[in-house]
Amino acid sequence: QQQVRQSPQSLTVWEGETAILNCSYENSAFDYFPWYQQFPGEGPALLISILSVSDKKEDGRFTIFFNKREKKLSLHIADSQPGDSATYFCAASQGGRALIFGTGTTVSVSP
Amino acid sequence: GGIITQTPKFLIGQEGQKLTLKCQQNFNHDTMYWYRQDSGKGLRLIYYSITENDLQKGDLSEGYDASREKKSSFSLTVTSAQKNEMAVFLCASSIPKSQNTLYFGAGTRLSVL
Repeated sequence: QQQVRQSPQSLTVWEGETAILNCSYENSAFDYFPWYQQFPGEGPALLISILSVSDKKEDGRFTIFFNKREKKLSLHIADSQPGDSATYFCAASQGGRALIFGTGTTVSVSP
Repeated sequence: GGIITQTPKFLIGQEGQKLTLKCQQNFNHDTMYWYRQDSGKGLRLIYYSITENDLQKGDLSEGYDASREKKSSFSLTVTSAQKNEMAVFLCASSIPKSQNTLYFGAGTRLSVL
């Protein structure tokens, strides 16, 4: 059973648009939710993260919105750039345990 | 800064073969991980180790062995490669605290003929 789900599987946006990536989870005890960004041929790298005590986290053009009651979160990429084309993984953990990753969303930004 | 080095970058094996993947980190991190990445399935945890000589099984440990003989290195063995298997194996390390940031290597790409 997939504990962390992501949608859509892939997404294409025009340069300058906002890309919205969705994530949901099963375990209400999860308290830490990082998003990792992966470029082809590379390992994932931490992009932005949020704790379950917050409902929003912003870092430049990247914003996480978190809804604890619905067990859902989303990553918004504002003013998308071609360099944002990558695969994005939502992950979750409980009390510092090993991260559980979602299946990923591949974003393509067209100029 | 530090780096995670995975060797080899590409690995071609035969069905039934025992294959070993190696990972080295110079972050001086305590915890190291092995994840498997399959297309459409995300990253799944195989093994992790919180210190030298420690091993913890992840959800995907069946068919794999791991070894953490030194703090800086963590190896993974595919005990019997499956025909037509294709996956990327990712090694990562982190400092153990309530919010771990994982630092990943570039991966080993496995193909089994």
